[in-house]
Amino acid sequence: DTGVSQDPRHKITKRGQNVTFRCDPISEHNRLYWYRQTLGQGPEFLTYFQNEAQLEKSRLLSDRFSAERPKGSFSTLEIQRTEQGDSAMYLCASSSQGGGETQYFGPGTRLLVL
Amino acid sequence: QKEVEQNSGPLSVPEGAIASLNCTYSDRGSQSFFWYRQYSGKSPELIMSIYSNGDKEDGRFTAQLNKASQYVSLLIRDSQPSDSATYLCAVNSGYSSASKIIFGSGTRLSIRP
Repeated sequence: DTGVSQDPRHKITKRGQNVTFRCDPISEHNRLYWYRQTLGQGPEFLTYFQNEAQLEKSRLLSDRFSAERPKGSFSTLEIQRTEQGDSAMYLCASSSQGGGETQYFGPGTRLLVL
Repeated sequence: QKEVEQNSGPLSVPEGAIASLNCTYSDRGSQSFFWYRQYSGKSPELIMSIYSNGDKEDGRFTAQLNKASQYVSLLIRDSQPSDSATYLCAVNSGYSSASKIIFGSGTRLSIRP
């Protein structure tokens, strides 16, 4: 049983560039979540998918952020025109319906915008 | 008022003692409660989940839930240096079984030898 995987693990980019992160959930999990975490804070919810449907988006998710889960398996999170304030750890989690909502986290992608 | 509140710490506990971590939440409709452990630079790791009032024990860990007081706690018995980490309290946000979970800011725990 492989856990949640994320790619890349680290990303350094210049302000204004676009970046894309990938998340592969635990294989039997139909729910997938994206969170953002900055230093000294808990993870903040960004968006959530059930299968391929994006069911909820946080107000934190500005127009520069978009997430997809086209086939209900892996998901991508894209940030366009990155800003220094986007620097954070981006965490993906997955859970199974009927699994008590327990979310299992991937290792995260650490983004640094210069 | 934050939705999930924790004392940021650091909480310093001698090795072998009991560490007590506390959390309060604001949404009375919350039904699921979680404790995650997070080492510096790593992602959160689930320790315990609890859904009904009372205590739930798993090894050295005991989660306690009091929905009337909107209070969740985590006790760590026989604290070890490896328990030094940030502990995140998380609460589901509403009645939907698929609701997002809201995290507190975490309590830093330090176990001193």
